[in-house]
Amino acid sequence: DADVTQTPRNRITKTGKRIMLECSQTKGHDRMYWYRQDPGLGLRLIYYSFDVKDINKGEISDGYSVSRQAQAKFSLSLESAIPNQTALYFCATSDFMGDEAFFGQGTRLTVV
Amino acid sequence: QKEVEQNSGPLSVPEGAIASLNCTYSDRGSQSFFWYRQYSGKSPELIMFIYSNGDKEDGRFTAQLNKASQYVSLLIRDSQPSDSATYLCAVDGKKSSGDKLTFGTGTRLAVRP
Repeated sequence: DADVTQTPRNRITKTGKRIMLECSQTKGHDRMYWYRQDPGLGLRLIYYSFDVKDINKGEISDGYSVSRQAQAKFSLSLESAIPNQTALYFCATSDFMGDEAFFGQGTRLTVV
Repeated sequence: QKEVEQNSGPLSVPEGAIASLNCTYSDRGSQSFFWYRQYSGKSPELIMFIYSNGDKEDGRFTAQLNKASQYVSLLIRDSQPSDSATYLCAVDGKKSSGDKLTFGTGTRLAVRP
């Protein structure tokens, strides 16, 4: 089993729908991150969390919300999906030192 | 100014040559620097990290850091077609920028057989 698991792997949804992307990890790491990747724009940070009670906005948090349900689980929600949220989304974790980040397999989201 | 900048490429090199990938960053308080490799459609994976000025070698890979110039590079010796991928530079800004990991846009490397 993968250390960082994202569900779903692929999703097509309609404009205006609410959607949740889930991430769970078995690394025992405190830090978890959500990034989106668009062609030519690299990985952009949406939200990050250093523990269950510490959640921070990244550079592109508008239109997104997160929930850190437990040390091992970090969910990303799109309250009302719009087409420009079509992207590849990655969850990542790292230890308290902020060293190597381990990535999930990615979720390819299409909003039509 | 973007926090982490990379040339998007593509950088094309012949097999066996040295590929040189460059990255600049804006936060002088940055402490940790990483190079990730990402194959098309796959997740990024860490290949090198460096914390101190100078060079760090690991097999065919060498990371170079110059904090005064805010510059980090990755050299790939004896490039192979399997090295063809996008290389992402990442910087951990520590407390000066919220202690978060920030990525550049990546440089696409193509190694010609």
